[in-house]
Amino acid sequence: AQTVTQSQPEMSVQEAETVTLSCTYDTSESDYYLFWYKQPPSRQMILVIRQEAYKQQNATENRFSVNFQKAAKSFSLKISDSQLGDAAMYFCAYRGPSGGPGTYKYIFGTGTRLKVLA
Amino acid sequence: DADVTQTPRNRITKTGKRIMLECSQTKGHDRMYWYRQDPGLGLRLIYYSFDVKDINKGEISDGYSVSRQAQAKFSLSLESAIPNQTALYFCATSEHTGELFFGEGSRLTVL
Repeated sequence: AQTVTQSQPEMSVQEAETVTLSCTYDTSESDYYLFWYKQPPSRQMILVIRQEAYKQQNATENRFSVNFQKAAKSFSLKISDSQLGDAAMYFCAYRGPSGGPGTYKYIFGTGTRLKVLA
Repeated sequence: DADVTQTPRNRITKTGKRIMLECSQTKGHDRMYWYRQDPGLGLRLIYYSFDVKDINKGEISDGYSVSRQAQAKFSLSLESAIPNQTALYFCATSEHTGELFFGEGSRLTVL
């Protein structure tokens, strides 16, 4: 069964510094997607970044980038120049086949709470 | 306006009461989902629907039921609410490729 593990329940970073959130996953599939979602205190789930497994190049969105290591099944999120508004819960998620044609399932990690210190 | 709208945003109810959480979307997606979020457990899938005639149980469907009234509407019901159903509930949609699009969440408290 596919699993997603976020081993850091909480992280802290100084404003303007860089922080990396870890995520590992387990799957036997070769075709899948990986995502990082941000959940600020407003509780809205906001997509931060996505990575298609077939792409070797790491995804980047402004100050957010990933280190995707397919063989190691690792998908970490790097936040550069951290800002107070980055404080949130971050969820790693996997989307892969779920059996039937055209059907998929999403699996979420348990989240990492990021605190940004002024 | 939000693409995925949930009502109510917050609800307090008593044990044994029937509760319905509603979700509507303007994204035109066929696939809709209901998730439950609990601290330390992440998001867990309750039910999902790939079209109006297709309803499937997720990993924690016991105590819940759903109705897909139209492509744009997917409601979640708790027939007889109990305190351990106190949680944050999310509706989400997706295309057949790509990410989930979430509503703003419905916080339910069962006393």
